[in-house]
Amino acid sequence: QKEVEQNSGPLSVPEGAIASLNCTYSDRGSQSFFWYRQYSGKSPELIMSIYSNGDKEDGRFTAQLNKASQYVSLLIRDSQPSDSATYLCAAQSGGNDMRFGAGTRLTVKP
Amino acid sequence: KAGVTQTPRYLIKTRGQQVTLSCSPISGHRSVSWYQQTPGQGLQFLFEYFSETQRNKGNFPGRFSGRQFSNSRSEMNVSTLELGDSALYLCASSMGGATEAFFGQGTRLTVV
Repeated sequence: QKEVEQNSGPLSVPEGAIASLNCTYSDRGSQSFFWYRQYSGKSPELIMSIYSNGDKEDGRFTAQLNKASQYVSLLIRDSQPSDSATYLCAAQSGGNDMRFGAGTRLTVKP
Repeated sequence: KAGVTQTPRYLIKTRGQQVTLSCSPISGHRSVSWYQQTPGQGLQFLFEYFSETQRNKGNFPGRFSGRQFSNSRSEMNVSTLELGDSALYLCASSMGGATEAFFGQGTRLTVV
């Protein structure tokens, strides 16, 4: 049973639109949640971390966490073609290993 | 501040050989985790080291092993290589606990 689930996509949005990426997790003990962006052939790059319920904004990115629903999301406003990548959701509890979802491939069309 | 450094970047090995990959974490980070990434399986957790001790281990055969040195640098070793071991091997360093982890560039291993 997968512990972190993401829609594999691909998700396609037009340039300037809002891209919405979703993630659910099964371990209620998860305390920390992360979004990574991975371009093809490159390693994952951390773009957001969120630890408490609610929204966290950083530039065009907003992470949302709802622990009761075991749900994490990432919104990308004013999407740009350079945002085209695979987005990985990860959850971690205490000293345990970080569990990753399979990733959602996002394409932003000019 | 230097990032996570993995060496080598690329490797080609023959079936049956062994290989050692190296990871130097961000200065001050004591936790190093290793992952295997393949197109079909995504990011699979191998193991995590913290202060020279293996704290967590994924579901990989014993051919995969690792260690961490007192300066937090880590190595992973794969013995008796199989074709299916061809993958991108990534290490990530963090302060430990449920804190942000940062990945190195990865080592792309090809087994022929």
